[in-house]
Amino acid sequence: KQEVTQIPAALSVPEGENLVLNCSFTDSAIYNLQWFRQDPGKGLTSLLLIQSSQREQTSGRLNASLDKSSGRSTLYIAASQPGDSATYLCAVSPQAGTALIFGKGTTLSVSS
Amino acid sequence: DGGITQSPKYLFRKEGQNVTLSCEQNLNHDAMYWYRQDPGQGLRLIYYSQIVNDFQKGDIAEGYSVSREKKESFPLTVTSAQKNPTAFYLCASSFGDRVLHFGDGTRLSIL
Repeated sequence: KQEVTQIPAALSVPEGENLVLNCSFTDSAIYNLQWFRQDPGKGLTSLLLIQSSQREQTSGRLNASLDKSSGRSTLYIAASQPGDSATYLCAVSPQAGTALIFGKGTTLSVSS
Repeated sequence: DGGITQSPKYLFRKEGQNVTLSCEQNLNHDAMYWYRQDPGQGLRLIYYSQIVNDFQKGDIAEGYSVSREKKESFPLTVTSAQKNPTAFYLCASSFGDRVLHFGDGTRLSIL
């Protein structure tokens, strides 16, 4: 059964620092992978979607990479800002037409 | 604006009571999902539906029921059989396997 793990569970950094969030999954046969952001008490907002055939996706200061063979994805955040403080969740789709399987998330705190 | 509307924002359930959480979307998405989120936990899938009048159980479907009579609506009923219903419930939708869009959630508590 596919399992998604995110380490660390929490991370605190000063403003301006570049940082990497990690996501690993146990079964490399995935259809796509998505990264989400969740603010306290709110729903999730999609940040990036990577298809299984892609190696990375970029949006603004965010860059997500995918290495299917090793079962890993990373979310790189450049020049972090206090507004980036949130919980970041990774999710994989095992195959087309199935629901996403989520990790527990990494809670990021960026101090000014 | 297109989006997903969940209501109510907060809901309280009495012992032995069934309660229904509403989820409506105007994104013209085919697929809709219900997830449950507990503190410190990731999202766990309750039910999902790829098309109208069809739905599949997720990992934690026991004690829950759904219907999909209209493309826009996917209500979730938390039955009295669900012994630990206190959680944050999130509804989502997507166009096929594309980006998943979420509502703002319903927080359910027991009186």
